This record gives sequence, structure tokens and C-alpha cells, in this order.
Amino acid sequence: DQQVKQNSPSLSVQEGRISILNCDYTNSMFDYFLWYKKYPAEGPTFLISISSIKDKNEDGRFTVFLNKSAKHLSLHIVPSQPGDSAVYFCAARPNFGNEKLTFGTGTRLTIIP
Amino acid sequence: DTGVSQDPRHKITKRGQNVTFRCDPISEHNRLYWYRQTLGQGPEFLTYFQNEAQLEKSRLLSDRFSAERPKGSFSTLEIQRTEQGDSAMYLCASILLVNTEAFFGQGTRLTVV
Repeated sequence: DQQVKQNSPSLSVQEGRISILNCDYTNSMFDYFLWYKKYPAEGPTFLISISSIKDKNEDGRFTVFLNKSAKHLSLHIVPSQPGDSAVYFCAARPNFGNEKLTFGTGTRLTIIP
Repeated sequence: DTGVSQDPRHKITKRGQNVTFRCDPISEHNRLYWYRQTLGQGPEFLTYFQNEAQLEKSRLLSDRFSAERPKGSFSTLEIQRTEQGDSAMYLCASILLVNTEAFFGQGTRLTVV
């Protein structure tokens, strides 16, 4: 069962516009959420995170929104830049025990110059 | 470079051979995780260590797989009698404290021919 879902395998956005990547989860025990960025042949790089006690976290061009009642989170990138082209993974973990991450299947973001 | 280091970056092996991968976490991090990523999927949890103790193993980790973390420093992941289905990117990650993000290495890409 896919506990973390990223339903859009790919997304293309014009440079300078906003990129919105979506993620849904089913496990109500998840209460810490992370976004990772991955280039080909490299490991995932941490981007931004949010705890379930918040509904928004912002870091520069990146903002993550969390809607706990809908079990939905989104990553906004504005303005989008060509270097943002990568695969983005949403990940979640419960706030106890082993802190292991459950990942979605990723969304490939392409920024069009 | 003080990040998570994995060796080798690439490994091609014949079916039935044994392979061993190494991970050197960030030095002060006490938790170390192994994940596996196959094409089109997000990373999937395999196992993790708290210092030298292996505390959890995923059902994905068959008895052909073994992981160690002697002295709570570097870790090794060995796959015996490799099969074509073992072909994947093997990722190592480390965490210093609970509720912080996991830092990933660049991964070892295994190809079983």
C-alpha cells in the first residue's frame, strides 16, 4: 500500500512562474513531512520540512503547506528557475520510534527557459 | 567533504556473486539508515542502526542481505548470491537527533547482469 502518494509523475513550468507539487498521505500517524530534491545519479538532497503543528513553513523561494484534515501537503517554488529541474520526493514519518521515512514516487519537475 | 559518503558509486556484478557496499555517515550522527530505490519509485526503507545496534529490518531485506555497523561508525551492506531483481540504487542516510532531516549519500548503483 502506498502511504505517501505523488499523483503527478511530471510537471513542466515556465521559468519565473510558480511550481506547485502535491503530495497526499494516508497514515494518520505521520506528523513530520519533508521534501527532497534529487538529480540523476545522486542521492536525495533535503529541501524543506514541516511539522504537523504548523500549516506553513517558508524558506526563501520554497514554501510547504500542510492540510492535516485533508492529509495533503504541497510544495510551492516561486519564482521557478532552470536549476530547479529535478525529481522531487515527498516523505513522511511518525513522531516516534525509528524516524524512518516513507517516500512518495516522485514528481519530475522541468523548468522551461 | 563532511557529508555522507558511499562506496562504490557504481557496481556491475554477475548474477550469483556477492557484493558489499560501504557507507560512512556524518561523523557525529548516531543513526544510520539504508534505503533502496528502483526505477520510478521513491526510496524504500531497508534497515537502520542506532550506534552499532541494528534496530529494525524491513521485510524487503531477505536473508541474502546483511548489514553491519561495527563500533557505531561506518556501515556495510552485503548482498549474497545476487539476483537481477537486486539491481537498484542503494542509499545510505544519517541523522544526528530525532526530529531533524536525514542526510543522504550519493548512493551505490548496483547492476546485476
